[in-house]
Amino acid sequence: DAGVTQSPTHLIKTRGQHVTLRCSPISGHKSVSWYQQVLGQGPQFIFQYYEKEERGRGNFPDRFSARQFPNYSSELNVNALLLGDSALYLCASSSGFYNEQFFGPGTRLTVL
Amino acid sequence: SQQGEEDPQALSIQEGENATMNCSYKTSINNLQWYRQNSGRGLVHLILIRSNEREKHSGRLRVTLDTSKKSSSLLITASRAADTASYFCATDAKDQGAQKLVFGQGTRLTINP
Repeated sequence: DAGVTQSPTHLIKTRGQHVTLRCSPISGHKSVSWYQQVLGQGPQFIFQYYEKEERGRGNFPDRFSARQFPNYSSELNVNALLLGDSALYLCASSSGFYNEQFFGPGTRLTVL
Repeated sequence: SQQGEEDPQALSIQEGENATMNCSYKTSINNLQWYRQNSGRGLVHLILIRSNEREKHSGRLRVTLDTSKKSSSLLITASRAADTASYFCATDAKDQGAQKLVFGQGTRLTINP
């Protein structure tokens, strides 16, 4: 079975631009979460979506938004990119609350 | 803010030795998960231990959980060069109905041949 997949693998943008990151969960998983990992630190929670509804939001500005589609895949959007948005963006899927969260390979975003 | 705090921040041992990493957290949890990360790639799930469990094994991995001390440990026995990676503990945090993992900064493990 395929694990969590994310696209693209790498992305280079300039300040002020917009970016869309995509995630496909493990088949049968209805929960998708997004995390940001800055170099040298642990991942930080951005969003969780479950059954296409936002269930939680971390301490990130409104420039960050996300959505989940009927097939449970998800998009993370970041507007007006800042240099500080450069990070590894990780997507995780889970079969339900308080179960294991499985992560994808991540998207490395570089903002110049 | 990060709830989990791993200790030590870095650990270097010889191949074949055992490696022990510790994690402390601040609030009540439903479960605690350990992950491995190689060179800034995605996180690999190692093991989940629930709050009503005290010890769990998976292959060469042994995880303990002490909810009274709010701490957990990960033991890797008979270490191999391929175990070189960063290891993170993550606690779930009840957040108005969301499943939100809170990570520490990780332990960087180096296995020397």
